[in-house]
Amino acid sequence: EVQLVESGGGLVQPGGSLRLSCEASGFTFKSYWMTWVRQAPGKGPEWVANIKQDGSEKNYVDSVRGRFSISRDNAKTSLYLQMNSLRAEDTAVYYCGRLGNWAFDNWGQGTLVTVSS
Amino acid sequence: QSALTQPPSASGSPGQSVTISCTGTSSDVGGYNFVSWYQQHPGKAPKLMIYGVGNRPSGVSDRFSGSKSGNTASLTVSGLQAEDEADYYCSSFSGSDNWVFGGGTKLTVL
Repeated sequence: EVQLVESGGGLVQPGGSLRLSCEASGFTFKSYWMTWVRQAPGKGPEWVANIKQDGSEKNYVDSVRGRFSISRDNAKTSLYLQMNSLRAEDTAVYYCGRLGNWAFDNWGQGTLVTVSS
Repeated sequence: QSALTQPPSASGSPGQSVTISCTGTSSDVGGYNFVSWYQQHPGKAPKLMIYGVGNRPSGVSDRFSGSKSGNTASLTVSGLQAEDEADYYCSSFSGSDNWVFGGGTKLTVL
Protein backbone atom coordinates (compact mmCIF):
# COMPACT_ATOMS: atom_id res chain seq x y z
CA GLU A 1 0.00 0.00 0.00
CA VAL A 2 1.32 3.41 -0.99
CA GLN A 3 1.78 5.72 2.00
CA LEU A 4 2.83 9.36 2.00
CA VAL A 5 3.19 11.07 5.38
CA GLU A 6 3.86 14.81 5.56
CA SER A 7 5.28 16.70 8.51
CA GLY A 8 6.76 20.09 9.32
CA GLY A 9 3.77 22.38 9.02
CA GLY A 10 2.89 25.01 11.59
CA LEU A 11 2.50 28.69 12.32
CA VAL A 12 5.17 31.01 10.96
CA GLN A 13 5.46 34.79 10.70
CA PRO A 14 5.50 36.55 7.32
CA GLY A 15 9.02 36.50 5.92
CA GLY A 16 9.85 33.35 7.84
CA SER A 17 10.92 29.90 6.69
CA LEU A 18 9.64 26.37 7.05
CA ARG A 19 10.76 22.97 5.77
CA LEU A 20 8.18 20.33 4.95
CA SER A 21 9.03 16.63 4.77
CA CYS A 22 7.23 13.67 3.25
CA GLU A 23 8.12 10.08 4.04
CA ALA A 24 7.12 7.60 1.35
CA SER A 25 6.61 3.86 1.57
CA GLY A 26 4.90 1.01 -0.24
CA PHE A 27 6.37 1.73 -3.69
CA THR A 28 9.72 2.21 -5.45
CA PHE A 29 10.20 5.87 -4.56
CA LYS A 30 13.16 6.45 -6.88
CA SER A 31 11.07 5.49 -9.92
CA TYR A 32 8.55 8.30 -9.70
CA TRP A 33 8.31 12.04 -10.21
CA MET A 34 7.08 13.52 -6.93
CA THR A 35 5.15 16.71 -6.30
CA TRP A 36 3.83 19.19 -3.75
CA VAL A 37 0.28 20.49 -4.10
CA ARG A 38 -1.31 23.02 -1.75
CA GLN A 39 -4.89 23.91 -0.99
CA ALA A 40 -5.83 27.20 0.65
CA PRO A 41 -8.88 27.17 2.95
CA GLY A 42 -12.07 26.87 0.87
CA LYS A 43 -10.15 26.84 -2.42
CA GLY A 44 -9.18 24.30 -5.03
CA PRO A 45 -5.79 22.60 -5.09
CA GLU A 46 -2.81 24.40 -6.61
CA TRP A 47 0.21 22.58 -7.99
CA VAL A 48 3.34 23.99 -6.33
CA ALA A 49 6.37 22.03 -7.53
CA ASN A 50 7.58 18.71 -8.84
CA ILE A 51 10.89 16.87 -9.07
CA LYS A 52 12.20 14.20 -11.41
CA GLN A 53 13.18 10.73 -10.23
CA ASP A 54 16.88 11.53 -9.82
CA GLY A 55 16.35 15.14 -8.72
CA SER A 56 17.92 16.52 -11.89
CA GLU A 57 14.82 18.44 -12.95
CA LYS A 58 12.62 20.66 -10.81
CA ASN A 59 9.63 22.80 -11.76
CA TYR A 60 7.70 25.44 -9.82
CA VAL A 61 4.52 27.47 -10.10
CA ASP A 62 5.35 31.11 -10.82
CA SER A 63 4.15 32.36 -7.42
CA VAL A 64 6.75 30.36 -5.46
CA ARG A 65 9.70 30.27 -7.88
CA GLY A 66 12.77 31.72 -6.16
CA ARG A 67 11.26 31.31 -2.68
CA PHE A 68 10.54 27.56 -2.47
CA SER A 69 12.90 24.68 -3.21
CA ILE A 70 11.89 21.06 -3.74
CA SER A 71 14.36 18.23 -3.10
CA ARG A 72 14.40 14.50 -2.45
CA ASP A 73 16.54 11.82 -0.83
CA ASN A 74 15.96 8.52 -2.59
CA ALA A 75 17.99 6.60 0.02
CA LYS A 76 15.60 7.85 2.71
CA THR A 77 12.53 7.70 0.40
CA SER A 78 11.75 11.25 1.40
CA LEU A 79 10.59 14.41 -0.32
CA TYR A 80 11.16 17.93 0.99
CA LEU A 81 9.93 21.46 0.42
CA GLN A 82 12.02 24.34 1.75
CA MET A 83 9.85 27.45 1.96
CA ASN A 84 11.47 30.85 2.45
CA SER A 85 10.14 34.42 2.49
CA LEU A 86 6.70 33.11 3.38
CA ARG A 87 3.66 35.28 2.71
CA ALA A 88 0.10 35.24 4.03
CA GLU A 89 -1.07 33.88 0.69
CA ASP A 90 1.09 30.78 1.21
CA THR A 91 -1.29 29.69 3.98
CA ALA A 92 -2.67 26.30 2.95
CA VAL A 93 -2.67 22.58 3.53
CA TYR A 94 0.37 21.20 1.72
CA TYR A 95 0.06 17.73 0.21
CA CYS A 96 2.86 15.47 -0.91
CA GLY A 97 1.91 13.59 -4.06
CA ARG A 98 3.13 10.92 -6.42
CA LEU A 99 2.91 11.48 -10.17
CA GLY A 100 1.82 8.34 -11.98
CA ASN A 101 0.16 7.91 -15.38
CA TRP A 102 0.37 11.71 -15.79
CA ALA A 103 -1.82 12.29 -12.76
CA PHE A 104 -1.49 12.80 -9.00
CA ASP A 105 -2.25 9.17 -8.23
CA ASN A 106 -1.50 9.14 -4.51
CA TRP A 107 -1.69 11.90 -1.89
CA GLY A 108 -0.60 12.24 1.71
CA GLN A 109 -2.94 13.44 4.44
CA GLY A 110 -1.52 16.97 4.25
CA THR A 111 0.20 19.35 6.67
CA LEU A 112 -1.17 22.81 7.49
CA VAL A 113 1.03 25.86 7.02
CA THR A 114 -0.26 29.12 8.49
CA VAL A 115 1.57 32.36 7.76
CA SER A 116 0.45 35.05 10.17
CA SER A 117 1.83 37.57 12.62
CA GLN B 1 -0.89 29.10 -15.26
CA SER B 2 -4.58 30.10 -14.99
CA ALA B 3 -7.00 27.80 -13.24
CA LEU B 4 -9.34 25.62 -15.26
CA THR B 5 -13.03 26.64 -15.15
CA GLN B 6 -15.59 24.42 -13.44
CA PRO B 7 -19.19 25.15 -12.42
CA PRO B 8 -19.30 25.82 -8.68
CA SER B 9 -22.11 23.36 -8.07
CA ALA B 10 -23.96 20.40 -9.53
CA SER B 11 -26.70 18.19 -8.20
CA GLY B 12 -28.81 15.14 -8.92
CA SER B 13 -31.11 12.65 -7.28
CA PRO B 14 -30.03 9.13 -6.35
CA GLY B 15 -29.82 6.94 -9.44
CA GLN B 16 -29.53 9.87 -11.84
CA SER B 17 -26.48 10.91 -13.86
CA VAL B 18 -24.60 14.18 -13.50
CA THR B 19 -21.92 15.66 -15.74
CA ILE B 20 -19.34 18.20 -14.56
CA SER B 21 -17.43 20.27 -17.10
CA CYS B 22 -13.86 21.57 -16.98
CA THR B 23 -12.84 24.22 -19.49
CA GLY B 24 -9.28 25.18 -20.25
CA THR B 25 -7.33 26.28 -23.29
CA SER B 26 -5.36 24.76 -26.12
CA SER B 27 -2.29 25.07 -23.85
CA ASP B 28 -3.64 22.64 -21.29
CA VAL B 29 -6.88 20.62 -21.65
CA GLY B 30 -7.01 20.95 -25.42
CA GLY B 31 -3.34 20.32 -25.96
CA TYR B 32 -2.78 17.12 -24.01
CA ASN B 33 -4.68 13.96 -23.10
CA PHE B 34 -3.51 14.31 -19.52
CA VAL B 35 -6.73 15.42 -17.83
CA SER B 36 -7.47 13.92 -14.43
CA TRP B 37 -10.32 14.18 -11.94
CA TYR B 38 -10.25 14.10 -8.15
CA GLN B 39 -12.90 13.54 -5.49
CA GLN B 40 -12.50 15.23 -2.12
CA HIS B 41 -14.65 14.67 0.94
CA PRO B 42 -14.55 17.28 3.73
CA GLY B 43 -11.33 17.17 5.71
CA LYS B 44 -9.81 14.50 3.48
CA ALA B 45 -7.13 14.47 0.83
CA PRO B 46 -8.19 14.41 -2.82
CA LYS B 47 -8.55 10.98 -4.41
CA LEU B 48 -7.78 10.23 -8.06
CA MET B 49 -10.92 9.12 -9.92
CA ILE B 50 -9.98 9.50 -13.61
CA TYR B 51 -6.63 9.88 -15.37
CA GLY B 52 -5.64 10.28 -18.99
CA VAL B 53 -9.05 11.81 -19.82
CA GLY B 54 -11.06 8.62 -19.47
CA ASN B 55 -9.15 5.96 -17.53
CA ARG B 56 -10.18 4.70 -14.09
CA PRO B 57 -7.61 3.64 -11.50
CA SER B 58 -8.06 0.22 -9.98
CA GLY B 59 -10.77 0.29 -7.33
CA VAL B 60 -12.71 3.25 -8.69
CA SER B 61 -16.34 2.49 -9.55
CA ASP B 62 -17.26 2.24 -13.23
CA ARG B 63 -20.04 4.72 -12.47
CA PHE B 64 -17.36 7.36 -13.00
CA SER B 65 -16.34 8.17 -16.56
CA GLY B 66 -14.43 10.93 -18.29
CA SER B 67 -14.24 12.43 -21.75
CA LYS B 68 -12.87 15.44 -23.62
CA SER B 69 -13.87 17.56 -26.57
CA GLY B 70 -11.61 20.40 -27.64
CA ASN B 71 -10.69 22.52 -24.66
CA THR B 72 -13.39 21.07 -22.39
CA ALA B 73 -13.21 17.88 -20.36
CA SER B 74 -16.13 16.26 -18.60
CA LEU B 75 -16.70 13.91 -15.67
CA THR B 76 -19.92 11.92 -15.61
CA VAL B 77 -21.17 10.21 -12.48
CA SER B 78 -23.96 7.76 -13.25
CA GLY B 79 -26.26 5.97 -10.82
CA LEU B 80 -25.70 8.69 -8.21
CA GLN B 81 -25.25 7.47 -4.65
CA ALA B 82 -25.17 9.40 -1.39
CA GLU B 83 -21.46 8.66 -1.01
CA ASP B 84 -20.74 10.54 -4.25
CA GLU B 85 -21.54 13.84 -2.54
CA ALA B 86 -18.18 15.62 -2.46
CA ASP B 87 -16.08 18.27 -4.17
CA TYR B 88 -14.67 17.36 -7.57
CA TYR B 89 -11.60 18.91 -9.16
CA CYS B 90 -10.16 18.55 -12.64
CA SER B 91 -6.50 18.93 -13.46
CA SER B 92 -4.46 19.06 -16.65
CA PHE B 93 -0.85 19.00 -17.70
CA SER B 94 -0.06 22.45 -19.12
CA GLY B 95 3.32 21.95 -20.70
CA SER B 96 6.88 22.51 -19.43
CA ASP B 97 6.19 20.02 -16.63
CA ASN B 98 3.59 22.34 -15.11
CA TRP B 99 0.11 21.44 -13.93
CA VAL B 100 -3.12 23.34 -13.42
CA PHE B 101 -6.27 22.57 -11.41
CA GLY B 102 -9.88 23.67 -11.68
CA GLY B 103 -11.64 25.67 -9.00
CA GLY B 104 -13.84 22.74 -8.03
CA THR B 105 -17.48 21.66 -8.25
CA LYS B 106 -19.54 20.76 -5.21
CA LEU B 107 -21.73 17.78 -6.08
CA THR B 108 -24.90 17.47 -4.02
CA VAL B 109 -26.99 14.31 -4.01
CA LEU B 110 -30.55 15.47 -3.42
